[in-house]
Parts: sequence; C-alpha cells; structure tokens
Amino acid sequence: GQQLNQSPQSMFIQEGEDVSMNCTSSSIFNTWLWYKQDPGEGPVLLIALYKAGELTSNGRLTAQFGITRKDSFLNISASIPSDVGIYFCAGQLGAAGNKLTFGGGTRVLVKP
Amino acid sequence: DAGVIQSPRHEVTEMGQEVTLRCKPISGHDYLFWYRQTMMRGLELLIYFNNNVPIDDSGMPEDRFSAKMPNASFSTLKIQPSEPRDSAVYFCASSLGRSIKRFYEQYFGPGTRLTVT
Repeated sequence: GQQLNQSPQSMFIQEGEDVSMNCTSSSIFNTWLWYKQDPGEGPVLLIALYKAGELTSNGRLTAQFGITRKDSFLNISASIPSDVGIYFCAGQLGAAGNKLTFGGGTRVLVKP
Repeated sequence: DAGVIQSPRHEVTEMGQEVTLRCKPISGHDYLFWYRQTMMRGLELLIYFNNNVPIDDSGMPEDRFSAKMPNASFSTLKIQPSEPRDSAVYFCASSLGRSIKRFYEQYFGPGTRLTVT
C-alpha cells in the first residue's frame, strides 16, 4: 500500500487564487519531488527537494521539504486555468533503497 | 530536445496474448525506469536499469513480466501471457544519474495505455 498521504484528494481553483497541497507520512523521507500530470500524458517534474527545511520555487510554484522529513507541501500562487491537472508528490523512503514512492495525487479542477 | 518516446500509445489485446511495450529514453541518460499506473495502486516502479543492466526488478509483479534493455537507446517490457488485471498505463522514464540528485529527477514518457479483454 501507499505510504504517502496526499491531501486534499481534489480541489477547485478560481483564477488568481493561491492554492496549497501537502504530502505526509509516518516514515522519514530523504528526497521529495513534485510532479504534475495532464490527461493522457506522463508526469512532469516540477520541483525536487533534497534537504530538510529546503524551500524551492519554480515560477509560481513553491515547495518545501518539512523539517521532520515526514512531509512536504506545494503552493501554487495566482492560479491560472492551465494549472488544472493531477499533482503527485514522490519521495525516496530511507529504508526502501533507491525507489520512489508516489502519493495518490491531488486533482486540481477549475471552479464552475 | 526529444523526450522519452513510448510506443504504442494504446494497446488493446485479448487475454493470453503476448504484449510488448517499447521505450526510447532521453539520449545520454544512464537510468531507465518502467512504472505502472492504476487507479487502485497509483504509480508503482516495476524495474529499473543502469547502463542497460537491470538493477532492481523487485516490483515486477510475476514471471509473466519481463524487461530488457539491449542498448542505451531502447528498452522493452513484455507481458506473456497477458491477463485483464494487467490493464493499466505503463510509463517509461529516464534520468541522467551521475549524482543522487540526477538519479531522482526522472523524466517520464507519455505512457502506453494497455487494455486486456
């Protein structure tokens, strides 16, 4: 089963809003990554984090590696329609060798 | 720059048939990964290669699945015989390796949607 809990599972955005999602685990992770997947496509790497406390930005996206190494969050500022998609967190679990473990995803939709 | 290329994009086959999925990684990347994505289990690593050598195949579900990488620019994932529960989207990804950071920065192909009836 999955060891990364992503929340929320889905969310609606209105253009211009800031949105936030997070990933938590009961285990310690050494690396966190955030991906975005559009329908019919593969995941695209957005941000990679390698040290506890690290805060990294990529345009309107900001992600942080939690200080406890058990969580990470992703913020999207001033959302636009093309931000719609599924966002996945992924981490390298300390005891799991080199494999990445993926969260269940946060589906971002546009408010009707 | 060409990304990871996968073929076919869609495959529909009958139970018991052999299925072969193909992948061309990004040129110069040392690592190649095969993932499977389903609604129930999300994204799961099946196997990965370093310099064409399989390193970890512990995610391969059973003996019906096999993967090869005969050279740096081509890999196959074969299912024989296929079963309905193999229906999923199969992704190939590659990374540059050479450092821990580059290993984890994996670039995914568009995927092959497999339906086994």
